[in-house]
Amino acid sequence: QVQLVESGGGVVQPGRSLRLSCAASGFTFSVYALHWVRQAPGKGLEWLALISYDGSTKSYADSVKGRFTISRDNSNNTLYLQMNSLRDDDTALYFCAREHYALDIWGQGTLVTVSS
Amino acid sequence: DIQMTQSPSTLSAFVGDSVTITCRASQSISRWLAWYQQKPGKAPKFLIYQASSLNSGVPSRFSGSGSGTEFTLTISSLQPDDFATYYCHQYNTYPWTFGQGTKVEIK
Repeated sequence: QVQLVESGGGVVQPGRSLRLSCAASGFTFSVYALHWVRQAPGKGLEWLALISYDGSTKSYADSVKGRFTISRDNSNNTLYLQMNSLRDDDTALYFCAREHYALDIWGQGTLVTVSS
Repeated sequence: DIQMTQSPSTLSAFVGDSVTITCRASQSISRWLAWYQQKPGKAPKFLIYQASSLNSGVPSRFSGSGSGTEFTLTISSLQPDDFATYYCHQYNTYPWTFGQGTKVEIK
């Protein structure tokens, strides 16, 4: 079935880096734009980044611009989020999502905790 | 950035009630608005796109309306499975933004 599965979350110290992955299955990965969205504990949804179907277009929220990088590997059906210079307020559940009439398919999320 | 404001923040209702959630955009987004349902610890579920189009498989008791800056999500005849938090989302302009959420609780 159509599925997105995130991985790579964990506990990391402030200032360090982490790379999240999102493995896709059940659909033609290379024709869809993809997004990252996060949710801090007890808070609402925050859009973070977009990458076009071919990787040529990227866009970021101001809160992560210059620190996070979105990328994709269409040969391996995988989306990535490289997160550098992590801060306490980056602690959140990170979701990847497919763009089709807005965000139609979401992964289950991977938890990132930034703490010393 | 376009700000999305939902009201109310919390809504208490009985099973069988009809409820309406409002979402206002700080500037016009035409009809580029989606609604999602989220339960604790789960990913959001895509309900409605382009303000009023129901995603496949979503029960017909859910409906959306509006354009420009004011939008509504209505759930007619609330069912036990509908108690959750609902988010509106504008995808007219980057950065995409979400409302703060409306929690629908059992009365």
